[in-house]
Amino acid sequence: DQQVKQNSPSLSVQEGRISILNCDYTNSMFDYFLWYKKYPAEGPTFLISISSIKDKNEDGRFTVFLNKSAKHLSLHIVPSQPGDSAVYFCAAIYNQGGKLIFGQGTELSVKP
Amino acid sequence: KAGVTQTPRYLIKTRGQQVTLSCSPISGHRSVSWYQQTPGQGLQFLFEYFSETQRNKGNFPGRFSGRQFSNSRSEMNVSTLELGDSALYLCASSLRTGGYTEAFFGQGTRLTVV
Repeated sequence: DQQVKQNSPSLSVQEGRISILNCDYTNSMFDYFLWYKKYPAEGPTFLISISSIKDKNEDGRFTVFLNKSAKHLSLHIVPSQPGDSAVYFCAAIYNQGGKLIFGQGTELSVKP
Repeated sequence: KAGVTQTPRYLIKTRGQQVTLSCSPISGHRSVSWYQQTPGQGLQFLFEYFSETQRNKGNFPGRFSGRQFSNSRSEMNVSTLELGDSALYLCASSLRTGGYTEAFFGQGTRLTVV
């Protein structure tokens, strides 16, 4: 039962343009969401998070949007840079638990 | 501040053997979680330890176990290794003193079972 889904395995974007990565979830009990970036053979690096009481959180080039009614969140990267090329995972938590439930990841490729 | 340190980085074991992986969390972090990453299953939660007590457990067989020491360092053990246990094992630490805090990951231990 995949509670967190990233339906696009890959995304290709031109440098300088916007990258939009999407994530859907099924469990309405989730109340905190995070995005991680991962390079091969390395651990995930935390990017940005959002509480379910908010609908937007911004940090530099990264913005996360949460639509609770649609059980959907997205990560916007503006402008995209070649160094952003990596696999992006969304993750969810509920009830202040320590268990992160991850999506399958989206591989972003930013072309110069 | 030093990050999360996992040792060893790479390991090759034979089926039937057992293995112990180690994780040193960020100083001051009391929660340590373990995850398994495989191409087919993605990142899956194994267990979480907080103040030497297991707080959460994922859907893995009893061959997978862990513990946490008083200095918050954690070890994960896998007994009777199977080929399917080949994976990247990731450790994450967080404050978890109240409310939500982000988990920070180590670089992982790549385990290959032959």
